Amino acid sequence: SQQGEEDPQALSIQEGENATMNCSYKTSINNLQWYRQNSGRGLVHLILIRSNEREKHSGRLRVTLDTSKKSSSLLITASRAADTASYFCATVARGRGYQKVTFGTGTKLQVIP
Amino acid sequence: SQTIHQWPATLVQPVGSPLSLECTVEGTSNPNLYWYRQAAGRGLQLLFYSVGIGQISSEVPQNLSASRPQDRQFILSSKKLLLSDSGFYLCAWTGGTNTEAFFGQGTRLTVV
Repeated sequence: SQQGEEDPQALSIQEGENATMNCSYKTSINNLQWYRQNSGRGLVHLILIRSNEREKHSGRLRVTLDTSKKSSSLLITASRAADTASYFCATVARGRGYQKVTFGTGTKLQVIP
Repeated sequence: SQTIHQWPATLVQPVGSPLSLECTVEGTSNPNLYWYRQAAGRGLQLLFYSVGIGQISSEVPQNLSASRPQDRQFILSSKKLLLSDSGFYLCAWTGGTNTEAFFGQGTRLTVV
């Protein structure tokens, strides 16, 4: 089953604007990760935030995590046309020596030059 | 460095034919291994995960099965493909705790 639900499902913005994507999940997690997928390709890891962290930055990316609301957001600042892709959140739960990585439904971002 | 190989990249198979997709990981030992399926324009659905040789957990009952004959080899199989098995199949691995998942480039399966 899908653990995370992203919204919006699709987002279209002008180059230079900021893009915000949200992710909600249902169960307890060890950490939450965001991935990017270019059309028809594998996923590339962007950023990881642990369950005891509230905010994390990496370049133009800013991720927040609110475990009380079971939600996370990904902010891409000063967007570029090359940021056009689908973005997925993934929740990671630990159990008996393994990590179970479950993905959300994704947000399709289009950045218009 | 660790790498993950997944093949074939594309596959067209008739309904009722068998399936075997292979994934191998290099540069790490005892990885957690995963098979996901992505329908067109949709999210990733976790199909199977494995914590060790011969240990397979199934997330969704369906027409597929998985096996892990070696530590770094994960195979997705079907005896008889259905049209609904079409999709983009991704293999991934993780290791340890608080680590990212590394993905193969995926296999696009079309069942005709």
